[in-house]
Order: sequence, then structure tokens, then C-alpha cells
Amino acid sequence: EAGVTQFPSHSVIEKGQTVTLRCDPISGHDNLYWYRRVMGKEIKFLLHFVKESKQDESGMPNNRFLAERTGGTYSTLKVQPAELEDSGVYFCASSLSRQGTQYFGPGTRLTVL
Amino acid sequence: QKEVEQDPGPLSVPEGAIVSLNCTYSNSAFQYFMWYRQYSRKGPELLMYTYSSGNKEDGRFTAQVDKSSKYISLFIRDSQPSDSATYLCAGPNTGNQFYFGTGTSLTVIP
Repeated sequence: EAGVTQFPSHSVIEKGQTVTLRCDPISGHDNLYWYRRVMGKEIKFLLHFVKESKQDESGMPNNRFLAERTGGTYSTLKVQPAELEDSGVYFCASSLSRQGTQYFGPGTRLTVL
Repeated sequence: QKEVEQDPGPLSVPEGAIVSLNCTYSNSAFQYFMWYRQYSRKGPELLMYTYSSGNKEDGRFTAQVDKSSKYISLFIRDSQPSDSATYLCAGPNTGNQFYFGTGTSLTVIP
């Protein structure tokens, strides 16, 4: 069974540019989560989808971040315009049920110059 | 105050040693806890979870929760070089939003 995949693995952009990160959850997993780890800090929750609906987006830093999950399959996280403090590793996770084990992807390392 | 606090280490031990990794938490609403292991440039992978106070054993790994003191531990017996990784403790709120510790970097020296 394929695990959670994320694309790209690395992204280097300049301040002010736009970046879109993609996450493909494990097939059949309705629950999809985005997390972020800023260097030296803990992994922090960003938001939670159940199918195509945003269940909890309390962790989104500001309105420069937009997450979508059209069709309830893969999800995208767009940062527009990117700022220096957005640099970090963005992880996606999925779970079969709301309280189920979350399986993490390898992460996308974003560097904003 | 952070929801989960974890000593970042780094921790370096000889092969075969017993390793103790610890976290404290502040949110009494956490109903269960997880330990994730993360190898370099990889995503966290679930190692163990435990629902209540007490011990849970899985091979060389034992997870322990003391809810009275809000303390969680992971013990690794007969540590191996392949155990070298960052270990993350985490607890979910009622919405299954995970709160992670910063992670403890462990190196097991052959």
C-alpha cells in the first residue's frame, strides 16, 4: 500500500512569490492534516480536512495560506505571497478515521529567500 | 506554556544501552499519547501509542504514561545503531489535532 506522498520534496522561492504544495493521502483516508515545522521548533498543526471539508483550520498562520481538497482526494497548500518566516518543513498526514492513527508523508522543505 | 515539552537532547549512547526519553504535558484533556520516530529527511512514523496510565510494551520499546504527574516516557532496551533518529512525543486534543514535543535526537554508537 502506498503511503502519504508529498510534492515537491524541496522548494526554494523568493519572498513575494507563490508556492503550492501537494499532498496525496493514503487511498481511502478521509482525514487529511497539514502540519509545519519551523527550524528549531516543534511540529505544529495547521488544519484538518474530512473529505473535502475543512474540519479545523485553527492552526493556519494567516490569510496568505490557502488549503484546498477538491474532490476529497489530494490536497494543496498554497502560500501567496511567501514571506521569510514561512520557511520550514510542511508535513501532510492522513488517517482512516477521525481518531485513527495519522500516517505522515516525508514533508516538503520550503525555503523562502 | 507549551502543550507538550520535550528535552531536545542530543542524546548519545553506546550500543546495547537502555535509553529513556521523556516528555511532560500540560493539557489534561489528552486521552492518549504517541511516540513517533523520525529519520533524517523522512516524515514521522508512529512507533507506539498508549491510552492510559501504565506501561505498554512492544519488543524492545516500552511506553509509560503517568497521568498524575503528566509525564510520558519511552524506554528502548538493547539499543541499536538503527535506533538513531529523532523521537517525538505527541498528544491529540478532542479534535485529533496533534501537539508535538520538539523531539529528542538520539544517536546509538556501535
